[in-house]
Amino acid sequence: DIQMTQSPSSLSASVGDRVTITCRASQGIRNDLGWFQQKPGKAPKRLIYAASTLQSGVPSRFSGSGSGTEFTLTISSLQPEDFATYYCLQHNSYRTFGQGTKVEIK
Amino acid sequence: QVQLQESGPGLVKPSETLSLTCIVSGVSISGYYWNWIRQPPGKGLEWIGYIYYNGSTNYNPSLKSRVTISLDSSRNQFSLKLSSVTAADTAVYYCVRGESFGVWGQGTLVTVSS
Repeated sequence: DIQMTQSPSSLSASVGDRVTITCRASQGIRNDLGWFQQKPGKAPKRLIYAASTLQSGVPSRFSGSGSGTEFTLTISSLQPEDFATYYCLQHNSYRTFGQGTKVEIK
Repeated sequence: QVQLQESGPGLVKPSETLSLTCIVSGVSISGYYWNWIRQPPGKGLEWIGYIYYNGSTNYNPSLKSRVTISLDSSRNQFSLKLSSVTAADTAVYYCVRGESFGVWGQGTLVTVSS
């Protein structure tokens, strides 16, 4: 089974900060990776698919990069509505989520 | 507009079978992967399994012995059955479309308790 190691598990940041979240796969998954945002009491929402393709309607301050085993989600300038929990998902073999990163207000 | 809506009992007794249905509207169920995901209270997301529109299935190895996902094209819906449930199966259950989870239902909380 492919394991996804997501870091950090939480972070505190201020509005306007640049934020980076990383997912590492236990084996190569090409670019079969997505990033999701979840707010309390809501279903997750896909932000990025195919590692770096921005979902329609998602602000351009979100970006994804990586291939193989190392992937990154970057928020270029954190906005108040971005405080949430973020998950990566690999869909190369079965499906596995990262453990999540909670982005909190500093 | 594609919409997914989970339905089923919110309370299931230990050792019984959890049954949920996802009603799909705005798109034919043909041609996509259809997934079930769950999230225990305060915890992360866990993939349960998927069914492809042609009927082929793939399940999380950790749940495989207890899971059945089926599809009803005539009603444009798909279903989840999870047998021999325990309190550890208490979670919000989501139905989700696509290989990379592009469209989600709102989720439904299922509590396992006597």
